[in-house]
Amino acid sequence: AQKITQTQPGMFVQEKEAVTLDCTYDTSDPSYGLFWYKQPSSGEMIFLIYQGSYDQQNATEGRYSLNFQKARKSANLVISASQLGDSAMYFCAMREVSGGSYIPTFGRGTSLIVHP
Amino acid sequence: GAGVSQSPSNKVTEKGKDVELRCDPISGHTALYWYRQSLGQGLEFLIYFQGNSAPDKSGLPSDRFSAERTGGSVSTLTIQRTQQEDSAVYLCASSIVAGPSGNTIYFGEGSWLTVV
Repeated sequence: AQKITQTQPGMFVQEKEAVTLDCTYDTSDPSYGLFWYKQPSSGEMIFLIYQGSYDQQNATEGRYSLNFQKARKSANLVISASQLGDSAMYFCAMREVSGGSYIPTFGRGTSLIVHP
Repeated sequence: GAGVSQSPSNKVTEKGKDVELRCDPISGHTALYWYRQSLGQGLEFLIYFQGNSAPDKSGLPSDRFSAERTGGSVSTLTIQRTQQEDSAVYLCASSIVAGPSGNTIYFGEGSWLTVV
């Protein structure tokens, strides 16, 4: 079974608008971390934001926020005021604690295109 | 260095030849990961090193793939008798320790391997 599901293969948004990229996860581990990465066409993976399973508040980093709904096992990324430079692939990832293995699992990604 | 360094950045090799990909993690990072990303796909876990512990090789796709980490720092991923399906970007990442908290995982820019 997929541990990380990103259901939107592609998203389009107009510059300056907000966009939400969906991510759902599957785990029975009570302790885990959720990450979002951006991968522009250059190929590098850029860390954006982190949410711990015990964190009470949603994580925010500048224009990025993570809408964490634990009961729904959902960790959507919200990008406010989109910019042309936000066009990239976005990956959601989860790292569990069980068994002492901290190997992050990644979703298939969502391609975001920001148009003027 | 300031970030995770990978070399070569691009490699074209003939089918059947062996290749070595190198990763120099961020200084002080004890956890090191190798992932593979085929064109348009997500990240596929290959192998994980944590300090002096035995590596987790559960993601290696075949016995043609191997990796080592010398002195707890630099890692080399070796692919023997390369096949065309090995063509992909090989991404290396490191983090301070592998733990449940938000120890951010930093990625290198990847080694683009093309097998012809």
